Amino acid sequence: EPEVTQTPSHQVTQMGQEVILRCVPISNHLYFYWYRQILGQKVEFLVSFYNNEISEKSEIFDDQFSVERPDGSNFTLKIRSTKLEDSAMYFCASGLAAYNEQFFGPGTRLTVL
Amino acid sequence: GENVEQHPSTLSVQEGDSAVIKCTYSDSASNYFPWYKQELGKRPQLIIDIRSNVGEKKDQRIAVTLNKTAKHFSLHITETQPEDSAVYFCAAIRDDKIIFGKGTRLHILP
Repeated sequence: EPEVTQTPSHQVTQMGQEVILRCVPISNHLYFYWYRQILGQKVEFLVSFYNNEISEKSEIFDDQFSVERPDGSNFTLKIRSTKLEDSAMYFCASGLAAYNEQFFGPGTRLTVL
Repeated sequence: GENVEQHPSTLSVQEGDSAVIKCTYSDSASNYFPWYKQELGKRPQLIIDIRSNVGEKKDQRIAVTLNKTAKHFSLHITETQPEDSAVYFCAAIRDDKIIFGKGTRLHILP
């Protein structure tokens, strides 16, 4: 059964550095999402992406964040200048259609020192 | 924007008993309500979902009910088993944005 994959599984970075988190959504899916989950807390929506543009974003998704689908398979989240409070698990998800099941990747644990 | 409240935050039930988790949402335009199960260190996985034109849906031991008028929806797990122990999140979707509740940690007691 196809799954969403994410790399790396764990990323450690220094405050102020840029990070790029990578995701490979399920191949025939058209809708792509990023979420974050701070340890022990709920999953928070960051951004949704469809037809090569952002369709929705949350207030968390400020100018420090950007997303890109650089080719037909990858979907990336970039954080330009990481802060301590960016430390969290970041989940990518994809879906066939809006208002439909979203399949989550295994997550990337980002630790900002 | 949408706000999803979930109760209780922690729930302990004896194995074999039923568990009920309740959520409310604020935006009447939300029209899709999934429930996710998350085991420790793992990804959220969809266990059941319901759309706003349906009042109830059942899948084996799991059922979800939706009251659109009251903006309530609930997850019911019957005949609970040890493997049901996890964190459960309700969610509401509007405009392709999924808003999660804060989660319920379910403990199944032997």
